[in-house]
Amino acid sequence: AQSVTQLGSHVSVSEGALVLLRCNYSSSVPPYLFWYVQYPNQGLQLLLKYTSAATLVKGINGFEAEFKKSETSFHLTKPSAHMSDAAEYFCAVSETIQGAQKLVFGQGTRLTINP
Amino acid sequence: EAGVTQSPTHLIKTRGQQATLRCSPISGHTSVYWYQQALGLGLQFLLWYDEGEERNRGNFPPRFSGRQFPNYSSELNVNALELEDSALYLCASSFLGVTYEQYFGPGTRLTVT
Repeated sequence: AQSVTQLGSHVSVSEGALVLLRCNYSSSVPPYLFWYVQYPNQGLQLLLKYTSAATLVKGINGFEAEFKKSETSFHLTKPSAHMSDAAEYFCAVSETIQGAQKLVFGQGTRLTINP
Repeated sequence: EAGVTQSPTHLIKTRGQQATLRCSPISGHTSVYWYQQALGLGLQFLLWYDEGEERNRGNFPPRFSGRQFPNYSSELNVNALELEDSALYLCASSFLGVTYEQYFGPGTRLTVT
């Protein structure tokens, strides 16, 4: 079974600073990887996805992530944090077993932006 | 294009009762997934329906069940509610294609007292 580890359940950065949220996955086959964002009392919104094309993936709201196979990582970055980025972020890997699909999520990282 | 919709937004039940949650997928999507987001437990996969059939279920007891209707909307039923069933239940839909990306609804907050 595949798994996802997000390092740091809470990350706090200053407004304008670099955002780096870490995600490592375990997968025996080339994975599909996703980052989702969840604002308070809302569902999950897809930020970006990696589907074995370009290793640097650009998403919405200025976020991007780089797939590094050698490190089994898919870290999420944003050059300059904005107050509106405060939310919980989930990394996920798609798992297909005998034709059955599901997403396996990391535990989430709560991002706080300090003024 | 309308997104995934879920109803009700909030649901309050007492222990032992049954809860029914509903989900309408994005138009053209045939797969519906249910996830439970309980405090401290993260997002746990519950059920996957595609073309009216249950394709996969997570590690949940049989009192969690559901179905998918011909219009691809779905219903999640939780019988004999327990306090620990209190959670945000998220529905997602996808087109059974190449990328497996799922689009989520806003969720139903179930509170069991």
